[in-house]
Amino acid sequence: EIVLTQSPATLSLSPGERATLSCRTSQSVDRYLAWYQQKPGQAPRLLIYDASNRATGIPARFSGSGSGTDFTLTISSLEPEDFAVYYCQQRSNSFGGGTKVEIK
Amino acid sequence: QVHLVQSGPEVKKPGASVKVSCKASGLDFTRNSIHWVRQAPGQRLQWMGWINTANGNTKYSQKFQGRVTITRDTSATTVYMELSSLRSEDTAVFYCARARLRFGEPEYDYDFWGQGTLVTVSS
Repeated sequence: EIVLTQSPATLSLSPGERATLSCRTSQSVDRYLAWYQQKPGQAPRLLIYDASNRATGIPARFSGSGSGTDFTLTISSLEPEDFAVYYCQQRSNSFGGGTKVEIK
Repeated sequence: QVHLVQSGPEVKKPGASVKVSCKASGLDFTRNSIHWVRQAPGQRLQWMGWINTANGNTKYSQKFQGRVTITRDTSATTVYMELSSLRSEDTAVFYCARARLRFGEPEYDYDFWGQGTLVTVSS
């Protein structure tokens, strides 16, 4: 089973700052990696698929990069509604442990 | 717009079974794959399995193999997930989710999710 490790576990930032989230996989997944955002009491929302493609309706401040085993989700300038937990997922359906982006 | 609406919360005793439903609308039901994901408190999301709504073929995670059964009723555009031999560790929110379609074929990521169903296992 491919293991996904996200870091950091928690990111404390202020609105307007840049957020950089990491996801590393135990084996290469090529570019088959997705990112989700989850807010308390809500289902996850697809942000990025195939490492760098924004899902429908996702703002341009969200971007993804990487391939192989190292991936990054970047939020260029945090909006108040972006404070949430972010998960990565790879093609064989396993998920990372999540990164919580909290208000500093 | 695609909507997935799940059944309400459940409270079950250890050893019992639970069946959660996921009613789909706004899509061609028989041209999709629907997945189930478990989210236990403090735990990462866990994929449980999926069903091909066209032919009913299923695939399950080894972690849940033998305990989970996913079925569908095409006339009701509804997918069901039944989990048996419940234990306290199964206390979680269960989500159904639709695999994003690319040129009509399901991909690995999920673009629409149900609202989640809380299942509490307690004696």
